[in-house]
Amino acid sequence: GESVGLHLPTLSVQEGDNSIINCAYSNSASDYFIWYKQESGKGPQFIIDIRSNMDKRQGQRVTVLLNKTVKHLSLQIAATQPGDSAVYFCAEKSDSWGKLQFGAGTQVVVTP
Amino acid sequence: EAGVTQFPSHSVIEKGQTVTLRCDPISGHDNLYWYRRVMGKEIKFLLHFVKESKQDESGMPNNRFLAERTGGTYSTLKVQPAELEDSGVYFCASSQHILAGGPNEQFFGPGTRLTVL
Repeated sequence: GESVGLHLPTLSVQEGDNSIINCAYSNSASDYFIWYKQESGKGPQFIIDIRSNMDKRQGQRVTVLLNKTVKHLSLQIAATQPGDSAVYFCAEKSDSWGKLQFGAGTQVVVTP
Repeated sequence: EAGVTQFPSHSVIEKGQTVTLRCDPISGHDNLYWYRRVMGKEIKFLLHFVKESKQDESGMPNNRFLAERTGGTYSTLKVQPAELEDSGVYFCASSQHILAGGPNEQFFGPGTRLTVL
């Protein structure tokens, strides 16, 4: 049988469409939330972060939304491109020393 | 400026052997973190150095894992003896200073893929 955790949730997106990646976090005391992108063979790369006292932050082609009521974080990528294919992780800065707690990750596959 | 580097990129060893992973953080970064991702699951925190001191090692799985950061520059993570469940990708990250209430952006290395047979 399939083992829990071996297969990442996958989001298949057509090139040019918008992508929305969702994440649930656990610690209501976390003060920063970060999205990372991990391409094959590389380490996680910072995309965008948001402070806990904000509910929306925009970057270049990306927007992060934070809903503290339901402990939910989302990343929106506008006009998804082939180079956006990667695993996306949400993370929360869970203590004052910068320790990060990561979510499970979502595999984004961009199709032509 | 060079980013975080890790060596080796891949390591394949047999159960019971010893492996040492190395991380060179970005020059001047006081904070160095080790994380690992096992079997496609989430990335989990292992430990955090501030310069040469261990600030938090709450994520270290057991006493088979030993991390050092002599002189506050590069760090090593030794697994002795390695077990099958230690297989995964080990990431190192560094950050400059920790500001109260700040984001403390961490820069990650490419990781070391460890396979224990």
